[in-house]
Amino acid sequence: DGGITQSPKYLFRKEGQNVTLSCEQNLNHDAMYWYRQDPGQGLRLIYYSQIVNDFQKGDIAEGYSVSREKKESFPLTVTSAQKNPTAFYLCASSMGTGTMDTQYFGPGTRLTVL
Amino acid sequence: ELKVEQNPLFLSMQEGKNYTIYCNYSTTSDRLYWYRQDPGKSLESLFVLLSNGAVKQEGRLMASLDTKARLSTLHITAAVHDLSATYFCAVDRRASGSRLTFGEGTQLTVNP
Repeated sequence: DGGITQSPKYLFRKEGQNVTLSCEQNLNHDAMYWYRQDPGQGLRLIYYSQIVNDFQKGDIAEGYSVSREKKESFPLTVTSAQKNPTAFYLCASSMGTGTMDTQYFGPGTRLTVL
Repeated sequence: ELKVEQNPLFLSMQEGKNYTIYCNYSTTSDRLYWYRQDPGKSLESLFVLLSNGAVKQEGRLMASLDTKARLSTLHITAAVHDLSATYFCAVDRRASGSRLTFGEGTQLTVNP
């Protein structure tokens, strides 16, 4: 089955620790994205990558870092510099960034910082 | 800066009734998406609207796009309980590649 997987589903961390969220896709999509969702709000773009070994900041990149060493994988690190990291994190991918390229979303990781 | 506004933000309706959710956006775009999110779940793609006057229908949901008015609508016909969810519109900032700006979402509750 083709799709996007995110792990873990739930993540608890102490304040001041860095954490890495996994995102893998087997859809052969070129573009991948990370979004953050806070309760009762829409999604906000953290980082995106259009091709391997390249990525760009989104609207709220401060306190986050990413890498794109393989086409299938786009891990997100939430660093201790992120002031309010507790949120629902969603990874998405699309075939490219062209007109017909819908973004498809993974199941999400709910991060709680204690 | 692109702003996307949905209204209403909360909608409670009875089964069998019709209603429309509105999505206004502030700058030029001709690509708009509608997504559905069930509580605690991810987003499911519903519609992609790519040009002025585009209309798409799936079951009891119909979406349209008016790029001149910078407005998209999601019309619900004869609502059923299974449609209860949060609906998001998202507008593509094409000049920057595929970067979506999402509305706040409309939380729809369909009561028996």
